[in-house]
Amino acid sequence: EIVLTQTPLFSPVTLGRPASISCRSNQSLVHSDGNTYLSWLHQRPGQPPRLLIYNISKRFSGVPDRFSGSGAGTHFTLKISRVEGEDVGIYYCTQATLFPFTFGPGTKVHIK
Amino acid sequence: EVQLVQSGAEVKKPGESLTISCAASGYNFAKYWIGWVRQLPGKGPEWMGIIFPGDSDTGYSPSFKGQVTISADKSISTTYLQWGTLTASDTATYYCARPSDEDAFDLWGQGTLVTVSS
Repeated sequence: EIVLTQTPLFSPVTLGRPASISCRSNQSLVHSDGNTYLSWLHQRPGQPPRLLIYNISKRFSGVPDRFSGSGAGTHFTLKISRVEGEDVGIYYCTQATLFPFTFGPGTKVHIK
Repeated sequence: EVQLVQSGAEVKKPGESLTISCAASGYNFAKYWIGWVRQLPGKGPEWMGIIFPGDSDTGYSPSFKGQVTISADKSISTTYLQWGTLTASDTATYYCARPSDEDAFDLWGQGTLVTVSS
């Protein structure tokens, strides 16, 4: 089973400043078809997770361009260029390269 | 509208059985996988398993194999998550989710809260 680790687990951020979350996998997430099925999700309390980024760096429809994803192989990063109040919540990386799919433990983002 | 609508909250006693549902609409149900996710109170989500409604091909995460049953009924575009014997540790919110054509889980149900308590 692929294990995803995230750092930091808690991220106090300042409005208008950048934020970054790292996700590492214990094995490569490159699928045999050449794609890397690493996504980032955002969850607010009482709501289902919402897709932000998929295939490492593709922004899902309607996601603000202040969100970006990067990385390759086993190391991935989600960046928020300028944090806004609505960005608080928990961010999860998740992989669908190898079954069983897995989630990272989550990074809780809150405003300082 | 493309959506997944889950059945309502449940309160059950330990030892009881339960089936919750996830009804799809707005797309060809038979052609997309649907996964089930458990989220324990205050914890992160966990993938439980996945089903392809077209042929009911199903896969379970090791932690959930033998603990739940995932099924689908193409005639009513609905998938199910079933427990034979509930325990208090099954208390959680359960989500169904569908991947897009690019295998990203972009469509989620609203969640079903299951509470198991004596």
